[in-house]
Amino acid sequence: QSVLTQPPSVSAAPGQKVTISCSGGSSNIGNNYVSWYQHLPGTAPKLLIYENNKRPSGIPDRFSGSKSGTSATLGITGLQTGDEADYYCGTWAGSLNAGVVFGGGTKLTVL
Amino acid sequence: QVQLVQSGGEVKRPGASVTFSCKASGYTFTSYGISWVRQAPGQGLEWMGWIHTFSGNTNYAQKFQGRVSMTTDTSTSTAYMELRSLRSDDTAIYYCTKNSGMSAWYPSDFWGQGTLLTVSS
Repeated sequence: QSVLTQPPSVSAAPGQKVTISCSGGSSNIGNNYVSWYQHLPGTAPKLLIYENNKRPSGIPDRFSGSKSGTSATLGITGLQTGDEADYYCGTWAGSLNAGVVFGGGTKLTVL
Repeated sequence: QVQLVQSGGEVKRPGASVTFSCKASGYTFTSYGISWVRQAPGQGLEWMGWIHTFSGNTNYAQKFQGRVSMTTDTSTSTAYMELRSLRSDDTAIYYCTKNSGMSAWYPSDFWGQGTLLTVSS
């Protein structure tokens, strides 16, 4: 049972846009930055978005992030088959004991 | 370029201990924290803890307190994590990650390739 709630799966056609939601609470998302990670099978996860909406260098602007209250959203436009992956949101849980919490992950299928 | 190279896969019996290593390169090791994250088969990501690479201070997830120890060797830019009293549900891929800042709440901007731990009798 993950602290942050994500839809298990989303799908869309190549070239289309998709959004992935991440819902939490006031102690985690509500008071901390949200990050998003892309996890392709057999590879290490990659940081896609940090501080709610910033992209590390090398991440294309097809990927965007937003946050409102206790929820966050990852958007991907111009979908490509190479975007098929699991996507995770993560944030600080608000205390040293709880540390970082992640969503359960969303499997993106590009039809 | 930043690289985190982890040790090879391990097979352990229940009750045993395991130590993972993570050698960092391409950045100043003692300027950024190291966090450890695991992924059990078919499951999501799970944060295990963090180490301040300069002071050695640690912060472990409550679930693992008493069973995990994180250390560093700054002379070789290597981080270690020991997990004790292994159980079958510790079977997972274990990742070391570089925090984008020193503190535990900074996101993980680089990840090692992962180490598969299999716990089986």
